[in-house]
Amino acid sequence: RKEVEQDPGPFNVPEGATVAFNCTYSNSASQSFFWYRQDCRKEPKLLMSVYSSGNEDGRFTAQLNRASQYISLLIRDSKLSDSATYLCAVNGLGSNYQLIWGAGTKLIIKP
Amino acid sequence: EPEVTQTPSHQVTQMGQEVILRCVPISNHLYFYWYRQILGQKVEFLVSFYNNEISEKSEIFDDQFSVERPDGSNFTLKIRSTKLEDSAMYFCASRALAGSSTDTQYFGPGTRLTVL
Repeated sequence: RKEVEQDPGPFNVPEGATVAFNCTYSNSASQSFFWYRQDCRKEPKLLMSVYSSGNEDGRFTAQLNRASQYISLLIRDSKLSDSATYLCAVNGLGSNYQLIWGAGTKLIIKP
Repeated sequence: EPEVTQTPSHQVTQMGQEVILRCVPISNHLYFYWYRQILGQKVEFLVSFYNNEISEKSEIFDDQFSVERPDGSNFTLKIRSTKLEDSAMYFCASRALAGSSTDTQYFGPGTRLTVL
């Protein structure tokens, strides 16, 4: 089993729709979870940290399910500018929180 | 807003040559990282650096790689003898301190390395 797995997509979604991604992780000892957004040939940019209680930032909601070892990202009222690849990252076994990455889910918002 | 910077943005080199990729982390950060991303693939951890020494490294980070923080600001990745498969985007990242609210890693814009 891969350490961090994501559905590669692409998800083709009409503007204004709600879309959700999941990401599963294999290491039950992981403590930190993140969603990053990556535009083509650019660096990953932090979208949200994911907390145990779930967290919301505007149109974005992140959830953590430790029992099933997955995190989710929900995007409401999607905009054309949301088109990007969404990367899930989980801290590795080391003590310095190096990140282990999923391969990303590509999202295409259509007008 | 403080940011991580990297130079050069694009480096083209011949196979077997040495390259040095440079990063300036955010000034009050203490943990530094290098990651790479081969085109079309996932981001991969290479090495982490804290208190002037390597703290973790991956299997990718073999003897041809080295890192250094030669002064108070720069953080460099050296590839001694480049191979074709080293062609990738190399991202530097930095982090302030351990802790749930401050363990976010901030990434530089990357250096695209092309080995011919």
